[in-house]
Amino acid sequence: DAGITQSPRYKITETGRQVTLMCHQTWSHSYMFWYRQDLGHGLRLIYYSAAADITDKGEVPDGYVVSRSKTENFPLTLESATRSQTSVYFCASFHRGANTEAFFGQGTRLTVV
Amino acid sequence: GQSLEQPSEVTAVEGAIVQINCTYQTSGFYGLSWYQQHDGGAPTFLSYNALDGLEETGRFSSFLSRSDSYGYLLLQELQMKDSASYFCAVTPQDSNYQLIWGAGTKLIIKP
Repeated sequence: DAGITQSPRYKITETGRQVTLMCHQTWSHSYMFWYRQDLGHGLRLIYYSAAADITDKGEVPDGYVVSRSKTENFPLTLESATRSQTSVYFCASFHRGANTEAFFGQGTRLTVV
Repeated sequence: GQSLEQPSEVTAVEGAIVQINCTYQTSGFYGLSWYQQHDGGAPTFLSYNALDGLEETGRFSSFLSRSDSYGYLLLQELQMKDSASYFCAVTPQDSNYQLIWGAGTKLIIKP
């Protein structure tokens, strides 16, 4: 299916475990982003990527790791999950040169217990 | 630093018109965007203003004034399905296309 998809949609994990959230887009967009959204707050950028093998930190990168070996995939890993990382995570992509319309995945609701 | 300010909540009546304001403190950006997010859903793109002035898309219009560091989203003929949060965002020219987001405005529509 065309678009941007995240998996899993829901995840419960224990404190200290490693967990990876997946993001896949079919448009070959150059830019991809990971955001977290906490209740009553806006979107906070965790990491972003301008192209394959190019990643950079956003506003709240601590405790997260990303990679982008292929243009279409941008996984986000929580190395050792903490309760403060309980949140809804959104992946987004857009293509430079367009009107900066960003396309978002459905989100992953992560609970760390 | 760079920041965008929006009202946290706006209430309006079905069928009415509502304006959601966005003021910003940032210099040199490509444009101002607006996104809609329903509860439990993902943000979806509504509009983009690269230039000053009004952009109209159906019942929704968006306005930008760079000289006033101000923009707004105008929703006409409000429907219950318009109940959602609305976010403004800018793309600073020195940011490698990162979007800077406002905290969002929750629009409550009453019948």
